[in-house]
Amino acid sequence: QVQLQESGPGLVKPSETLSLTCAVSGYSISSGYYWGWIRQPPGKGLEWIGSIYHGGSTYYNPSLKSRVTISIDTSKNQFSLKLSSVTAADTAVYYCGRSYSGSYPGMFGYWGQGTLITVSS
Amino acid sequence: EIVMTQSPATLSVSPGERATLSCRASQSVSSNLAWYQQKPGQAPRLLIYGASTRATGIPARFSGSGSGTEFTLTISSLQSEDFAVYYCQQSNNWTFGQGTKVEIK
Repeated sequence: QVQLQESGPGLVKPSETLSLTCAVSGYSISSGYYWGWIRQPPGKGLEWIGSIYHGGSTYYNPSLKSRVTISIDTSKNQFSLKLSSVTAADTAVYYCGRSYSGSYPGMFGYWGQGTLITVSS
Repeated sequence: EIVMTQSPATLSVSPGERATLSCRASQSVSSNLAWYQQKPGQAPRLLIYGASTRATGIPARFSGSGSGTEFTLTISSLQSEDFAVYYCQQSNNWTFGQGTKVEIK
C-alpha cells in the first residue's frame, strides 16, 4: 500500500521560499507514475500545483510555473516542492500525491494527509 | 485556461435519495474528467476518471456520465458516509471546479 507523508516548516515569511518534502513508503518512486502537489486554501477549493514523472519530466500549473520547482530523489524515495516569493495567498493545506495511473500527471489516486503552510511575518 | 463550473454549490438530500451533481467546462475536455470526494479534515478521494470509470474500490452507487463540456456525477442512493464535498477536475491542464457540498436534508 502506497503511503505518502508531507513534511515542512508550517510557517513561512512573505517573500521567502516554501519548501516541502513528501516521503513515500510502500512503493519505489523510480518504478513509475507521476508524483505531485495539490493545495487547498482554508475553506476553499483545490488547485493543482505540479507533477513530476519518475524519470524527471515536470509539469506545472501555468499560473504558478514561474515560482515552482518540483524535484525527485529516488535514493531517498521522496520528492520535493519549492515555491518562491510566497505571499499570504499561498497559505494553504499542501497535499502530495501519486497519480492514479501512468497516463494522468495531475489526477491523484494516493494522497498524503496534508500539511498546513501559513505565510505570515 | 479551462474553467470548470460546478452546480449547485450546495445540494440538500435525504439519505436513500438520489443526488445529481453537474460540472461544466468552458471548452471541450472530451472525456478527460475526474470526480473526487472530500470529507472535512481529509484528503480528497478519487471516485471517477475518464468521465465514467469508477476508481478501484468505489461503490457502484457512484456513476459518472457526459463528454465535451457537460458532465454529471450521480449517487444513486445516498448513504450517511456520502455527505461530503465533491470536486470535478479536467485532465487537460488539471483545473478543478469550485465544489458541490452534499448535505443532509
